[in-house]
Amino acid sequence: GNSVTQMEGPVTLSEEAFLTINCTYTATGYPSLFWYVQYPGEGLQLLLKATKADDKGSNKGFEATYRKETTSFHLEKGSVQVSDSAVYFCALSEDTNAGKSTFGDGTTLTVKP
Amino acid sequence: DAGVIQSPRHEVTEMGQEVTLRCKPISGHDYLFWYRQTMMRGLELLIYFNNNVPIDDSGMPEDRFSAKMPNASFSTLKIQPSEPRDSAVYFCASRIRRTSGTNEQFFGPGTRLTVL
Repeated sequence: GNSVTQMEGPVTLSEEAFLTINCTYTATGYPSLFWYVQYPGEGLQLLLKATKADDKGSNKGFEATYRKETTSFHLEKGSVQVSDSAVYFCALSEDTNAGKSTFGDGTTLTVKP
Repeated sequence: DAGVIQSPRHEVTEMGQEVTLRCKPISGHDYLFWYRQTMMRGLELLIYFNNNVPIDDSGMPEDRFSAKMPNASFSTLKIQPSEPRDSAVYFCASRIRRTSGTNEQFFGPGTRLTVL
């Protein structure tokens, strides 16, 4: 079956530091890949996505590249802000999997001023 | 677009009481998902529907939990009787099936349930 493994947290960084959150996946087919973000007290919301190999998703300064050869989709940001403090979830979805997505366990990021 | 709407946002009840959580998906979406989130177990998929039909309820913890989707714009998750270990944040999400492109889910704000 499908699975998503992401870097264990929590991650604590100083403002303007570089961020990497690792994500690797196992899938039977050719999935779409996602990063969702959950701010305190809110639901998950889509941060970025990629649908095929070598696609780069980007949003709000965050980037992730779909690497089929390493089955990875690592999240990066060059300079984090306090407002980026949240929980980040890596996920995949396949239409052949009857519509549901597979989520990682989430990584909590805290950015200190 | 109002997004996914959940009610109530907060629910505090006593053990043994019935609890009903409600969800209105985004108009036109044909999939609806119910999740539970706790510190100990993270995000768990409980059940999901396609075109109002339950597809997979293998995540429903036990018979005390039930979910219905009587029409395309409304779903309920019921816990009867409730227990303290049911305390969690319950999320509803919806998505639309596309023949091409991505198929991300749209989450509601959640219902924080506390069972005393």
